[in-house]
Amino acid sequence: GAGVSQSPSNKVTEKGKDVELRCDPISGHTALYWYRQRLGQGLEFLIYFQGNSAPDKSGLPSDRFSAERTGESVSTLTIQRTQQEDSAVYLCASSWGQSTQPQHFGDGTRLSIL
Amino acid sequence: SQQGEEDPQALSIQEGENATMNCSYKTSINNLQWYRQNSGRGLVHLILIRSNEREKHSGRLRVTLDTSKKSSSLLITASRAADTASYFCAERGGSYIPTFGRGTSLIVHP
Repeated sequence: GAGVSQSPSNKVTEKGKDVELRCDPISGHTALYWYRQRLGQGLEFLIYFQGNSAPDKSGLPSDRFSAERTGESVSTLTIQRTQQEDSAVYLCASSWGQSTQPQHFGDGTRLSIL
Repeated sequence: SQQGEEDPQALSIQEGENATMNCSYKTSINNLQWYRQNSGRGLVHLILIRSNEREKHSGRLRVTLDTSKKSSSLLITASRAADTASYFCAERGGSYIPTFGRGTSLIVHP
């Protein structure tokens, strides 16, 4: 079956522009996560959606970052007024929701801010 | 920070050798998961070990957990060039949000 799909796979933009990243989770997965991964680093948690509950936004680094998810479907991560330090790979993962369930990751969006 | 840490940061071995990676964490956990990440790709789940388990096997993978030392290890036996990747541990406590370590970069030379 289809895995987690992210688009675009690569995005190059100028500092100060807004960007929107998309994640299509595995159908039926109630949980969806966004992470940021800087070059050679681990995963930095950004935001977590679980069903129709209020999202956990505790990892968002600034108010320039926001994310939405409609029900248990597509999610978009938006970064406004991009800065060079936003350059990273943004990974999306989905799962059934319980902590014992593995996360299924997309291949990420590689974001480069010029 | 609750971030766990993998050790070593980098490991270079020959094909056929065993590779051992360690993970230390700071808080109580419900379970700990290991993931692999090939270059330019997302993470792939390898194995989960629960806090009441001490050892788990999956094919050439062996994971151990020592909750008294807050540490886990991943052993890959008879390594292959295709095992070249970064390996991450993810600790899960009471929250649904896992905490990932910085990873071990493994290179297996053919």
